[in-house]
Formats: sequence, structure tokens, C-alpha cells
Amino acid sequence: DSGVTQTPKHLITATGQRVTLRCSPRSGDLSVYWYQQSLDQGLQFLIQYYNGEERAKGNILERFSAQQFPDLHSELNLSSLELGDSALYFCASSVGRGLDGYTFGSGTRLTVV
Amino acid sequence: GESVGLHLPTLSVQEGDNSIINCAYSNSASDYFIWYKQESGKGPQFIIDIRSNMDKRQGQRVTVLLNKTVKHLSLQIAATQPGDSAVYFCAESGFNKFYFGSGTKLNVKP
Repeated sequence: DSGVTQTPKHLITATGQRVTLRCSPRSGDLSVYWYQQSLDQGLQFLIQYYNGEERAKGNILERFSAQQFPDLHSELNLSSLELGDSALYFCASSVGRGLDGYTFGSGTRLTVV
Repeated sequence: GESVGLHLPTLSVQEGDNSIINCAYSNSASDYFIWYKQESGKGPQFIIDIRSNMDKRQGQRVTVLLNKTVKHLSLQIAATQPGDSAVYFCAESGFNKFYFGSGTKLNVKP
């Protein structure tokens, strides 16, 4: 157990729907990062939050949004889902804004049918 | 932290042999490096790290080598086992910016 908790582990939904993925960082970590990973591909950085504020944005679609709450957990909202959104979505957390102590969750597998 | 989404190169080794996985990093200012192992359908797991003031670090069956001159990082796995089959990728960081490599798929043949 890495200490980063992601729920749900699996999600199957239809095209056009909206889902919310949840991430609880390790205790004491202020930064949360979201990644998308399609089959046999590398991690695509989506967005980073640090202590409740958005810090960096990657290749995140306008249909996707995220937020980090006062208790530091984060949610990634995916709307108007398309078949191509099927992927593993990972959350990672760290104490600061660098790579020290950077830890990944076990991911949410999203399948859009 | 970003990485490039490419189809992964594959390294096939025989069980019991040593494996060497390479990573070329891009930023000469990077001062901290990590190797991760990602098994199919799971989250990446920390294997070993190294700071730029070192050129070699050893763990249990794994060794990381850092060559700052040519900006090259390698991961050596001794006596590779079937359980080592996974995707391995490196990460580099400096000045709170970091990047992940796209990874190499290690396939261990019994």
C-alpha cells in the first residue's frame, strides 16, 4: 500500500456520461498530480494541485476538470465521455512540488462503452 | 511532470540473466533521479533513486548508474526473475520540475 488511495478501482460507463475519480494523498503530502495512461503508453500528465491551488496543467481536455479540497483530497471530473477516454487514471502525491517522496496510487481503470 | 506517450520498446531476457535498462535524460540541471517499475494494470512503484552527487547506487538486486557527462541513467537488474517483468521508466527532477521517461517493457523468458 503506497499510502495514496484512489477510488473506484474500476469504472465502466457509457459514452456521453460524466464520472468522478477520487484521490486521497499520503498523509502530509500537499501536492496531488493526475495522469492518464492509455494501453502500453507512457504517463500523460493532466494537472497538478498544491495545497488546494492549481499549479500546473498538462494535456488536459476541456471536458476534464479537477479540484483539490481543504482536506487535500482531489477529484478528477471527466464529462461527455468518449471511447478514447478509456484508460488508467493515476494520482500521485508528494510533500512539496518536486520528485522527492513522489508516490503513485494504484489507479482507476475507466472503460467507456 | 510530463512524459511522452509513445509505444514502448521491449527488452527480452532469459530468466537468470542480468538486465540493463537505459534512459537518456534531457535536463543537465536535473539533480535527482528515480527508477519506477510498473506491472500491468498497477501503479508505478519506486525501485531506487540516485542524486547527482553520486554515480552509482545499489539496492537489492538492482543498481542504478548515473553518467552526468552524457546525461545517461541505467538500471541493472541482477539474476532477472519472471516477477521482474514490467515496464520500467526513469524520472528526472531539478528546480521542482520533473519529467518521466516513456519506459521500457522488460519481458523475462522462463
